[in-house]
Amino acid sequence: AQTVTQSQPEMSVQEAETVTLSCTYDTSESDYYLFWYKQPPSRQMILVIRQEAYKQQNATENRFSVNFQKAAKSFSLKISDSQLGDAAMYFCAYNIKGAQKLVFGQGTRLTINP
Amino acid sequence: DAGVIQSPRHEVTEMGQEVTLRCKPISGHDYLFWYRQTMMRGLELLIYFNNNVPIDDSGMPEDRFSAKMPNASFSTLKIQPSEPRDSAVYFCASRTRYTGELFFGEGSRLTVL
Repeated sequence: AQTVTQSQPEMSVQEAETVTLSCTYDTSESDYYLFWYKQPPSRQMILVIRQEAYKQQNATENRFSVNFQKAAKSFSLKISDSQLGDAAMYFCAYNIKGAQKLVFGQGTRLTINP
Repeated sequence: DAGVIQSPRHEVTEMGQEVTLRCKPISGHDYLFWYRQTMMRGLELLIYFNNNVPIDDSGMPEDRFSAKMPNASFSTLKIQPSEPRDSAVYFCASRTRYTGELFFGEGSRLTVL
């Protein structure tokens, strides 16, 4: 079964500091997408960053970057210079290319301390 | 584009009543998904459509749930009769055939008393 595991139910960080959220997944496929979604209190799911498995280079979007370790099936999210607006639930997700289902982890609640 | 549009944002109803949730996907998207989110179970895929055709409804909890997509710009999720355990946030999402990225609506929070 395809699974996504986020081992940290909650994390907190001081404003302006850096925080890393962990995600591991289980698949026998070699070609797939990985995503991090943010869900603020407004509850809409917003895409933060995506990674294609065939690309070795880690994706980066402004203050957000990933550490993609394909052999280890690990896909962590690093948030640099944390801001109060980063406070949210963060979901790691994955889907196989050609398949339609997006498999989500259970989420990590991130708190930013001023 | 306005994004995925869901209505209502909030629905409070009594057990036994029929509930209809609505979704307008992003124009040009080929796939539409209905998810349910609860604290206990997280995000669960209920059903998805490809070009208005239901492809996989294995996540629909029971016969009380039904979903339709009469055209490319509209889908409904219906619960009849509703039960308190159906209380959750229901998300609609859409995507193109070219990428795996899902675009979500703002969700419909359902409370069944």
